[in-house]
Amino acid sequence: DVKVTQSSRYLVKRTGEKVFLECVQDMDHENMFWYRQDPGLGLRLIYFSYDVKMKEKGDIPEGYSVSREKKERFSLILESASTNQTSMYLCASNLKGQSTFFGQGTRLTVV
Amino acid sequence: EDQVTQSPEALRLQEGESSSLNCSYTVSGLRGLFWYRQDPGKGPEFLFTLYSAGEEKEKERLKATLTKKESFLHITAPKPEDSATYLCAVQGRTDSWGKLQFGAGTQVVVTP
Repeated sequence: DVKVTQSSRYLVKRTGEKVFLECVQDMDHENMFWYRQDPGLGLRLIYFSYDVKMKEKGDIPEGYSVSREKKERFSLILESASTNQTSMYLCASNLKGQSTFFGQGTRLTVV
Repeated sequence: EDQVTQSPEALRLQEGESSSLNCSYTVSGLRGLFWYRQDPGKGPEFLFTLYSAGEEKEKERLKATLTKKESFLHITAPKPEDSATYLCAVQGRTDSWGKLQFGAGTQVVVTP
């Protein structure tokens, strides 16, 4: 079975902090994604990566950056956390042309 | 721009009462339509991928069908453990990486 693992289930951070969300997949998938999920807005794509060190902006990249130094690991970075970044963050991965699998999610609260 | 609309927003069923969820989509060429199940506080769990009109997939009490404009998720004789939010997503033909456009989901509650 595909396994996408996010480093934390719950995080509480203060406004202005730098926040790292980590994601690891164990199936040698080329593509990795970060989504956020908010009530009434559904899942929205923040960034994705199709190879090591390669990244592309999604629909809502403002306030975020990403890092992919190894194929299995994809990090989402909030440079200076703000309260409007309180959300559920979901990491996902796939092989080109195949189905996408999600991690268990990280519930981030910025206070 | 790709769009996905799911209906109803919420559905309350008695155990054993079959029903269908709808996913209408507009996309410039469909590469794939995906159904996921999501339990509260957890990530989406993959259920099905459909690629072309007329295709059907089944898993236990769930059956997904696809036409050129919409997909249905049929729940036959549901049990309380089928309670979840069901998400539909599409991937357009111009996308090579698997970027998904999601609908808002249908929240299903099955009561004993």
